[in-house]
Amino acid sequence: SQTIHQWPATLVQPVGSPLSLECTVEGTSNPNLYWYRQAAGRGLQLLFYSVGIGQISSEVPQNLSASRPQDRQFILSSKKLLLSDSGFYLCAWMRGRVLNEQFFGPGTRLTVL
Amino acid sequence: AQTVTQSQPEMSVQEAETVTLSCTYDTSESDYYLFWYKQPPSRQMILVIRQEAYKQQNATENRFSVNFQKAAKSFSLKISDSQLGDAAMYFCAYRSARDDKIIFGKGTRLHILP
Repeated sequence: SQTIHQWPATLVQPVGSPLSLECTVEGTSNPNLYWYRQAAGRGLQLLFYSVGIGQISSEVPQNLSASRPQDRQFILSSKKLLLSDSGFYLCAWMRGRVLNEQFFGPGTRLTVL
Repeated sequence: AQTVTQSQPEMSVQEAETVTLSCTYDTSESDYYLFWYKQPPSRQMILVIRQEAYKQQNATENRFSVNFQKAAKSFSLKISDSQLGDAAMYFCAYRSARDDKIIFGKGTRLHILP
């Protein structure tokens, strides 16, 4: 069966510090991978998605970036965090377009102080 | 651009009663998929039910069913015999068959009253 991991689970960082959130998927190959941010317990904002190694599509221009160094690894980064980067970050995967739904990781709660 | 609208930010229902959550969407596509996701207090997103647009029959999963009205672009979720464990944020979502992205609504927070 497939599983998706995210770490860390929680993170408190000062403004201006760098960020690296990691997401890995097990039990599948060549998944589509997604990063979402959920602010204030509300809707999901798609930040980035990737259909393959090294392929990143950005949905919202901001100080975040994403990378996919391996088939089942997706990393969300920032060089300098802003207060507005606080939120709950969710990683998700989808098996191309064969299976239609996305499966989500447990999320990372980021607080920028 | 496709959009998903959930017009009810919050709803409450008495335990064991039935509740319907509303969702409308806007698209010019004919082939697409619709989903309802549940996010309980743990914040783990869980797929509740999905519907393929080409299927006329409404999807059902135990106590969860949908009312899919393609012409009206409406996709409501009915929860029967509501249980305390149903308390969560519910998200309606849409994906075009030609796209890799899923578009989510802003969610409806459902409270179950004992």
